[in-house]
Amino acid sequence: EAGVTQFPSHSVIEKGQTVTLRCDPISGHDNLYWYRRVMGKEIKFLLHFVKESKQDESGMPNNRFLAERTGGTYSTLKVQPAELEDSGVYFCASRTSGGSNEQFFGPGTRLTVL
Amino acid sequence: AQRVTQPEKLLSVFKGAPVELKCNYSYSGSPELFWYVQYSRQRLQLLLRHISRESIKGFTADLNKGETSFHLKKPFAQEEDSAMYYCALSGNYGQNFVFGPGTRLSVLP
Repeated sequence: EAGVTQFPSHSVIEKGQTVTLRCDPISGHDNLYWYRRVMGKEIKFLLHFVKESKQDESGMPNNRFLAERTGGTYSTLKVQPAELEDSGVYFCASRTSGGSNEQFFGPGTRLTVL
Repeated sequence: AQRVTQPEKLLSVFKGAPVELKCNYSYSGSPELFWYVQYSRQRLQLLLRHISRESIKGFTADLNKGETSFHLKKPFAQEEDSAMYYCALSGNYGQNFVFGPGTRLSVLP
């Protein structure tokens, strides 16, 4: 079974540019989460999808971040315009509905904003 | 407020020594507690969760509700245990994880 995949693995952009991160969850997982770890800080929750609906987006830092999950399969996280403080590692995780709360994580996307 | 603390940023032990990674939490309710591990160049992966009460790779963790702790223990550390360890909690309804800051375990030969 393929795990959670994320693309790209690394992204280096300049301040003010736009970047789109993609996450493909494990097939059949309705729940999809985005997290990020900025330099020296803890892994923080950004938002949670159940299928195509945003269940909880309380962790989104500001309106420069836009997440979508059209069709309830893969998800994208767009940062526009990127700022220096957005640099960090962005993780995606997925989970089935019901049963265990275990989340399966992707390898992360390392974003560097110069 | 939900919070997870891991007091040690770095823990170094010699191979064969016992190891304990501390985790304390605050949560108004009955959370589910997890330990995730990230080995070098690998993704975060589940090590243990309190409801399963199992031992994985020789590690155990007991939820102490009175002390609000979920410390991770192993009686004899191995070099391959060197990794970053994160304690995390989730609410009852599949909510997002709240992570601790992580402890880097270094097992010396």
